[in-house]
Amino acid sequence: QLVLTQSPSASASLGASVKLTCTLSSGHSSYVIAWHQQQPEKGPRYLMKVNSDGSHTKGDGIPDRFSGSSSGAERYLTISSLQSEDEADYYCQTWDTGIIFGGGTKLTVL
Amino acid sequence: EVHLMESGGGLVQPGGSLRLSCTASGFTFSIYSMNWVRQAPGKGLEWVSYIYTSSSTIYYADSVKGRFSISRDNAKNSLYLQMNSLRAEDTAVYYCARSGYYPEYWGQGTLVTVSS
Repeated sequence: QLVLTQSPSASASLGASVKLTCTLSSGHSSYVIAWHQQQPEKGPRYLMKVNSDGSHTKGDGIPDRFSGSSSGAERYLTISSLQSEDEADYYCQTWDTGIIFGGGTKLTVL
Repeated sequence: EVHLMESGGGLVQPGGSLRLSCTASGFTFSIYSMNWVRQAPGKGLEWVSYIYTSSSTIYYADSVKGRFSISRDNAKNSLYLQMNSLRAEDTAVYYCARSGYYPEYWGQGTLVTVSS
Protein backbone atom coordinates (compact mmCIF):
# COMPACT_ATOMS: atom_id res chain seq x y z
CA GLN A 1 0.00 0.00 0.00
CA LEU A 2 1.30 3.39 -1.04
CA VAL A 3 1.76 5.72 1.92
CA LEU A 4 3.43 9.12 2.20
CA THR A 5 4.99 9.97 5.56
CA GLN A 6 5.69 13.51 6.75
CA SER A 7 6.85 14.86 10.10
CA PRO A 8 3.94 16.66 11.80
CA SER A 9 5.92 19.81 12.53
CA ALA A 10 9.04 21.78 11.69
CA SER A 11 10.40 25.16 12.65
CA ALA A 12 13.12 27.52 11.48
CA SER A 13 14.10 31.13 11.98
CA LEU A 14 13.19 34.04 9.78
CA GLY A 15 15.75 34.30 6.97
CA ALA A 16 17.05 30.77 7.46
CA SER A 17 16.45 27.67 5.35
CA VAL A 18 14.39 24.60 6.08
CA LYS A 19 14.14 21.20 4.38
CA LEU A 20 10.89 19.27 4.64
CA THR A 21 10.80 15.54 3.95
CA CYS A 22 8.20 13.26 2.41
CA THR A 23 8.95 9.52 2.49
CA LEU A 24 7.39 7.06 0.07
CA SER A 25 6.51 3.63 1.41
CA SER A 26 8.59 0.59 0.54
CA GLY A 27 8.48 -0.41 -3.11
CA HIS A 28 7.35 2.99 -4.31
CA SER A 29 10.61 4.92 -4.47
CA SER A 30 10.18 5.77 -8.17
CA TYR A 31 6.98 7.74 -7.72
CA VAL A 32 6.63 11.40 -8.59
CA ILE A 33 5.24 13.56 -5.82
CA ALA A 34 3.89 17.09 -5.63
CA TRP A 35 4.16 19.65 -2.83
CA HIS A 36 1.25 21.90 -1.86
CA GLN A 37 1.25 24.80 0.59
CA GLN A 38 -1.75 25.77 2.68
CA GLN A 39 -1.54 29.05 4.54
CA PRO A 40 -3.89 29.56 7.50
CA GLU A 41 -7.54 29.89 6.51
CA LYS A 42 -6.73 29.54 2.80
CA GLY A 43 -7.10 26.91 0.11
CA PRO A 44 -4.07 24.83 -0.91
CA ARG A 45 -1.58 26.14 -3.43
CA TYR A 46 0.47 23.94 -5.75
CA LEU A 47 4.21 24.46 -5.36
CA MET A 48 5.96 21.87 -7.53
CA LYS A 49 6.32 18.33 -8.75
CA VAL A 50 9.44 16.39 -7.77
CA ASN A 51 10.67 13.43 -9.80
CA SER A 52 12.68 10.49 -8.52
CA ASP A 53 15.82 11.88 -10.15
CA GLY A 54 15.45 15.10 -8.18
CA SER A 55 14.31 17.26 -11.07
CA HIS A 56 11.34 19.46 -10.26
CA THR A 57 8.75 21.60 -12.04
CA LYS A 58 7.37 24.57 -10.17
CA GLY A 59 3.94 26.08 -10.44
CA ASP A 60 3.15 29.52 -11.77
CA GLY A 61 4.60 32.33 -9.69
CA ILE A 62 6.40 30.13 -7.17
CA PRO A 63 9.50 32.01 -5.94
CA ASP A 64 13.01 30.74 -6.53
CA ARG A 65 13.31 30.33 -2.74
CA PHE A 66 11.35 27.09 -3.12
CA SER A 67 13.14 24.06 -4.55
CA GLY A 68 12.73 20.30 -4.67
CA SER A 69 15.08 17.32 -4.58
CA SER A 70 15.08 13.54 -4.09
CA SER A 71 17.13 10.78 -2.53
CA GLY A 72 15.89 7.22 -2.80
CA ALA A 73 12.37 7.09 -1.38
CA GLU A 74 12.60 10.57 0.08
CA ARG A 75 11.38 13.72 -1.58
CA TYR A 76 12.34 17.10 -0.22
CA LEU A 77 11.05 20.64 -0.25
CA THR A 78 13.65 23.25 0.64
CA ILE A 79 12.62 26.80 1.45
CA SER A 80 15.42 29.33 1.72
CA SER A 81 15.38 32.89 3.07
CA LEU A 82 12.30 32.05 5.13
CA GLN A 83 9.64 34.72 5.32
CA SER A 84 6.75 35.06 7.71
CA GLU A 85 4.25 34.15 4.98
CA ASP A 86 5.96 30.77 4.59
CA GLU A 87 4.39 29.72 7.89
CA ALA A 88 1.88 27.18 6.63
CA ASP A 89 1.01 23.52 6.32
CA TYR A 90 2.87 21.66 3.60
CA TYR A 91 1.46 18.51 2.03
CA CYS A 92 3.13 16.05 -0.27
CA GLN A 93 0.92 14.16 -2.67
CA THR A 94 1.09 11.42 -5.28
CA TRP A 95 -1.24 9.35 -7.46
CA ASP A 96 -2.22 5.69 -7.44
CA THR A 97 -5.74 5.29 -8.88
CA GLY A 98 -6.57 8.27 -6.74
CA ILE A 99 -4.73 11.09 -5.07
CA ILE A 100 -2.79 10.17 -1.93
CA PHE A 101 -1.75 12.86 0.54
CA GLY A 102 0.82 12.79 3.27
CA GLY A 103 -0.33 13.88 6.70
CA GLY A 104 1.19 17.33 6.29
CA THR A 105 3.95 19.26 8.04
CA LYS A 106 3.12 22.41 9.98
CA LEU A 107 5.98 24.87 9.47
CA THR A 108 6.54 27.53 12.10
CA VAL A 109 8.75 30.52 11.25
CA LEU A 110 10.41 31.73 14.45
CA GLU B 1 -5.90 33.81 -14.81
CA VAL B 2 -7.11 30.40 -13.68
CA HIS B 3 -10.04 30.65 -11.30
CA LEU B 4 -12.06 27.92 -9.60
CA MET B 5 -15.06 28.80 -7.47
CA GLU B 6 -16.96 26.24 -5.42
CA SER B 7 -20.54 26.73 -4.28
CA GLY B 8 -23.43 24.78 -2.84
CA GLY B 9 -22.14 24.08 0.64
CA GLY B 10 -24.23 24.48 3.75
CA LEU B 11 -25.83 22.77 6.72
CA VAL B 12 -27.56 19.45 6.06
CA GLN B 13 -28.98 16.77 8.33
CA PRO B 14 -27.47 13.28 8.50
CA GLY B 15 -28.87 11.18 5.69
CA GLY B 16 -29.52 14.24 3.56
CA SER B 17 -28.19 15.28 0.17
CA LEU B 18 -26.28 18.22 -1.24
CA ARG B 19 -24.92 19.14 -4.66
CA LEU B 20 -21.69 21.06 -4.92
CA SER B 21 -20.65 23.01 -7.99
CA CYS B 22 -17.30 24.30 -9.17
CA THR B 23 -17.23 26.97 -11.85
CA ALA B 24 -14.01 27.29 -13.82
CA SER B 25 -12.65 30.25 -15.74
CA GLY B 26 -9.40 31.42 -17.28
CA PHE B 27 -8.59 28.15 -19.04
CA THR B 28 -10.05 25.56 -21.42
CA PHE B 29 -11.99 23.50 -18.92
CA SER B 30 -12.75 20.63 -21.29
CA ILE B 31 -9.12 19.51 -21.66
CA TYR B 32 -8.34 19.09 -17.96
CA SER B 33 -9.18 16.30 -15.57
CA MET B 34 -10.60 17.50 -12.28
CA ASN B 35 -10.72 16.41 -8.66
CA TRP B 36 -12.68 17.02 -5.48
CA VAL B 37 -10.64 17.11 -2.28
CA ARG B 38 -11.95 17.75 1.22
CA GLN B 39 -10.57 18.83 4.57
CA ALA B 40 -12.34 18.11 7.84
CA PRO B 41 -11.97 20.80 10.53
CA GLY B 42 -8.42 20.76 11.89
CA LYS B 43 -7.44 17.79 9.73
CA GLY B 44 -5.37 17.17 6.62
CA LEU B 45 -6.36 16.95 2.98
CA GLU B 46 -8.39 13.94 1.81
CA TRP B 47 -9.01 13.14 -1.84
CA VAL B 48 -12.66 12.47 -2.73
CA SER B 49 -13.06 11.91 -6.47
CA TYR B 50 -11.50 12.29 -9.93
CA ILE B 51 -13.06 12.74 -13.36
CA TYR B 52 -11.38 12.61 -16.74
CA THR B 53 -11.96 15.25 -19.42
CA SER B 54 -14.67 13.30 -21.23
CA SER B 55 -16.10 11.76 -18.04
CA SER B 56 -15.03 8.35 -19.39
CA THR B 57 -12.94 7.59 -16.30
CA ILE B 58 -14.07 8.29 -12.76
CA TYR B 59 -12.57 7.27 -9.43
CA TYR B 60 -13.83 7.60 -5.86
CA ALA B 61 -12.27 7.27 -2.45
CA ASP B 62 -13.57 4.23 -0.58
CA SER B 63 -15.05 6.52 2.08
CA VAL B 64 -17.55 8.01 -0.39
CA LYS B 65 -18.03 5.22 -2.94
CA GLY B 66 -21.70 4.49 -3.53
CA ARG B 67 -22.82 7.74 -1.87
CA PHE B 68 -21.14 10.49 -3.90
CA SER B 69 -21.24 11.06 -7.66
CA ILE B 70 -18.92 13.31 -9.64
CA SER B 71 -19.89 14.82 -12.98
CA ARG B 72 -19.00 17.69 -15.27
CA ASP B 73 -20.55 19.86 -17.96
CA ASN B 74 -17.82 21.05 -20.31
CA ALA B 75 -20.21 23.38 -22.11
CA LYS B 76 -20.83 25.18 -18.82
CA ASN B 77 -17.23 24.97 -17.55
CA SER B 78 -18.57 23.30 -14.45
CA LEU B 79 -17.75 20.41 -12.16
CA TYR B 80 -20.25 18.85 -9.76
CA LEU B 81 -20.34 16.60 -6.72
CA GLN B 82 -23.67 15.03 -5.80
CA MET B 83 -23.49 13.92 -2.18
CA ASN B 84 -26.15 11.55 -0.82
CA SER B 85 -26.60 9.73 2.48
CA LEU B 86 -24.43 12.31 4.19
CA ARG B 87 -22.80 11.50 7.51
CA ALA B 88 -21.30 13.60 10.27
CA GLU B 89 -17.83 12.53 9.11
CA ASP B 90 -18.47 14.15 5.72
CA THR B 91 -18.30 17.55 7.43
CA ALA B 92 -15.46 19.38 5.70
CA VAL B 93 -14.42 22.14 3.37
CA TYR B 94 -14.67 20.78 -0.17
CA TYR B 95 -12.20 21.98 -2.78
CA CYS B 96 -12.19 21.48 -6.51
CA ALA B 97 -8.77 21.18 -8.10
CA ARG B 98 -7.62 21.32 -11.71
CA SER B 99 -5.53 18.61 -13.34
CA GLY B 100 -5.80 14.95 -12.66
CA TYR B 101 -2.82 13.39 -11.02
CA TYR B 102 -1.08 16.44 -9.55
CA PRO B 103 -3.54 19.31 -9.02
CA GLU B 104 -2.02 22.58 -10.14
CA TYR B 105 -4.84 24.95 -9.21
CA TRP B 106 -7.27 24.90 -6.32
CA GLY B 107 -10.44 26.75 -5.44
CA GLN B 108 -11.07 28.42 -2.09
CA GLY B 109 -13.50 25.76 -0.96
CA THR B 110 -17.08 25.47 0.25
CA LEU B 111 -18.02 24.29 3.73
CA VAL B 112 -20.36 21.34 4.18
CA THR B 113 -21.67 20.72 7.69
CA VAL B 114 -23.61 17.55 8.42
CA SER B 115 -25.42 17.88 11.72
CA SER B 116 -28.86 17.53 13.24
